[in-house]
Amino acid sequence: DGGITQSPKYLFRKEGQNVTLSCEQNLNHDAMYWYRQDPGQGLRLIYYSQIVNDFQKGDIAEGYSVSREKKESFPLTVTSAQKNPTAFYLCASSVRDMGEQLFFGSGTQLSVL
Amino acid sequence: RKEVEQDPGPFNVPEGATVAFNCTYSNSASQSFFWYRQDCRKEPKLLMSVYSSGNEDGRFTAQLNRASQYISLLIRDSKLSDSATYLCVPRRGKLIFGQGTELSVKP
Repeated sequence: DGGITQSPKYLFRKEGQNVTLSCEQNLNHDAMYWYRQDPGQGLRLIYYSQIVNDFQKGDIAEGYSVSREKKESFPLTVTSAQKNPTAFYLCASSVRDMGEQLFFGSGTQLSVL
Repeated sequence: RKEVEQDPGPFNVPEGATVAFNCTYSNSASQSFFWYRQDCRKEPKLLMSVYSSGNEDGRFTAQLNRASQYISLLIRDSKLSDSATYLCVPRRGKLIFGQGTELSVKP
């Protein structure tokens, strides 16, 4: 079955530590996205990529980094510079460019120890 | 003003009721929208796309009012399984999500 796989489902970060969230898709979609969701709030865009080896900052990119070395993969690193990382992180993809239907992974809940 | 604003709710309705909530947008260039449904701590899933002519899918009807810059979602004959948060998104650019409207359908 085609879809988007995020791992892990739950992740704990110690202070000063970098952690990486995995996102893999086998839908052959060109575009991939990372969103952050805080309780009672909508989704805020962290980074997006419309093509391999290229990505753009979203609205809240500070303290995060990404890479897009393969079409199928778009990992997100939460760095120690992100002072409030506790949130629900969602990866998504769309066929081509922005403005199209998003297909989401099941999310990763990141918490700080 | 935020690009997308939604009634936050929660809307608490009895089973079988009709409920409607709105999403206002600030960018007049927005001509079509998505409604997504999100269960607690799950991924959003597409409910429907909305164009200028509106859209209807079973018990769900969405309408776009371009003059007043809002879209509405009407749910008829509410089911317990309709309990979720509903997110609206203008279908353009970086897909800016509203904060969502929480719906709780009670027996």
